[in-house]
Amino acid sequence: DGGITQSPKYLFRKEGQNVTLSCEQNLNHDAMYWYRQDPGQGLRLIYYSQIVNDFQKGDIAEGYSVSREKKESFPLTVTSAQKNPTAFYLCASSDARGARETQYFGPGTRLLVL
Amino acid sequence: AQSVTQLDSQVPVFEEAPVELRCNYSSSVSVYLFWYVQYPNQGLQLLLKYLSGSTLVKGINGFEAEFNKSQTSFHLRKPSVHISDTAEYFCAVSALTGANNLFFGTGTRLTVIP
Repeated sequence: DGGITQSPKYLFRKEGQNVTLSCEQNLNHDAMYWYRQDPGQGLRLIYYSQIVNDFQKGDIAEGYSVSREKKESFPLTVTSAQKNPTAFYLCASSDARGARETQYFGPGTRLLVL
Repeated sequence: AQSVTQLDSQVPVFEEAPVELRCNYSSSVSVYLFWYVQYPNQGLQLLLKYLSGSTLVKGINGFEAEFNKSQTSFHLRKPSVHISDTAEYFCAVSALTGANNLFFGTGTRLTVIP
C-alpha cells in the first residue's frame, strides 16, 4: 500500500535535547511538508521541500531544521531552541508543488516535553 | 496573504440530521479551496476541493460544498450525518499564484449524537 509513515507515534523530549521525527513516503511525490498542530488552532507550516536537496522555511521555522537527501524521506529535527515544542506534528506530501495539488498526510507524531 | 475563518469551533448534531460547517476566507487573489477531515489521533484526509468550474463540489462520504465568490465562503454540507462522521473538519485555501502554501482554518469539531 502506498502512503506516508511517521515515527514514532509518541516522542518525549528532555530539556535541551534535540529530537528527530521521521517521515517516509512511497507515493513517489516530489513535494513534502511539515506542519505543527496545536489544540484549537489550525495547521501551521514549518518547512517544505519541492525537490531533493532543496527546502524552504514556512511560517514557523524557528527552532526546527530539516533535510531532504532522498526523495522519499523528509526528517524534522526539533532543536533545543524551540522553547514550546509540545504539539502534534504532521508530515504531508503532494505530487508536485502546486496550489491545486492534494496533500496527503501521515498519521502524525505527538511530541511531549518531560 | 490568505486567511480562513471557521466561526464554529464545535457543532453537535443528532444522527441522521443535516449539518452545515461554515468557512469564510479572505484573499486579494484568486484561490483554490479545500476541506479536510481529521479523525482522532490521525492525519488529515481530503474530503473535497474546488479548483474551477461548477461551484457545487461533491466529495467523499456524502459531503458537498458550495463556493460563493461574492460572499467569500465555502460551506460544507451533508444532508444526513452518521456516527462515523464525528471528527474535526478543516477548511483551507491556497493562492493560484505566489508561494502556493495551504492556509488552514482553526477547525470545527463535529460531534454526531446517537
